[in-house]
Amino acid sequence: AQSVTQLGSHVSVSEGALVLLRCNYSSSVPPYLFWYVQYPNQGLQLLLKYTSAATLVKGINGFEAEFKKSETSFHLTKPSAHMSDAAEYFCAVTPGNNDMRFGAGTRLTVKP
Amino acid sequence: GAGVSQSPSNKVTEKGKDVELRCDPISGHTALYWYRQSLGQGLEFLIYFQGNSAPDKSGLPSDRFSAERTGGSVSTLTIQRTQQEDSAVYLCASSPRLAGDRETQYFGPGTRLLVL
Repeated sequence: AQSVTQLGSHVSVSEGALVLLRCNYSSSVPPYLFWYVQYPNQGLQLLLKYTSAATLVKGINGFEAEFKKSETSFHLTKPSAHMSDAAEYFCAVTPGNNDMRFGAGTRLTVKP
Repeated sequence: GAGVSQSPSNKVTEKGKDVELRCDPISGHTALYWYRQSLGQGLEFLIYFQGNSAPDKSGLPSDRFSAERTGGSVSTLTIQRTQQEDSAVYLCASSPRLAGDRETQYFGPGTRLLVL
């Protein structure tokens, strides 16, 4: 079975600072990994996904994530935070069937 | 093209009443999922459809919850005799059949249910 752990339920950064949201996964088979973003009162929007191609995945809004098999990690980064990045971020894993497991989420706050 | 749509966007009901939540998946998507998101919580899987059949109903929290999907498209989640603990955002997602993308779930905006 697969699972996801997101370290840090809340992360606060200053505008312009590096954003780092951590995600570690557990999977018995090569995983597909995702990051979704949820803005207030909205559904989940796909940021990026890893599907066994390039280990560094670039997504929308300047975000990227690197798949590190040795560390079982898929951390999300953005070089410079913007106020509009404030949202809830969810990491998710699936073995490629219809069973997707989500992390508990990390709320990102961006301070002016 | 249009994304996943859900209706109503908000629903307020009284304890004990039945509610129906609707999901229109992206056209052509064969898989459909329902999740529940309680305040400040992550996503709780409820049920998954492949076509009109539901091979995985393991997440339904009680027999008051049921769901159906007709014509391989629209799905309805029904909650009977609602309780206050049913208050949450109910999210629907769909996935295509295309190789290379079938693992991805595309989400609707959710229905916010409040049971008084």
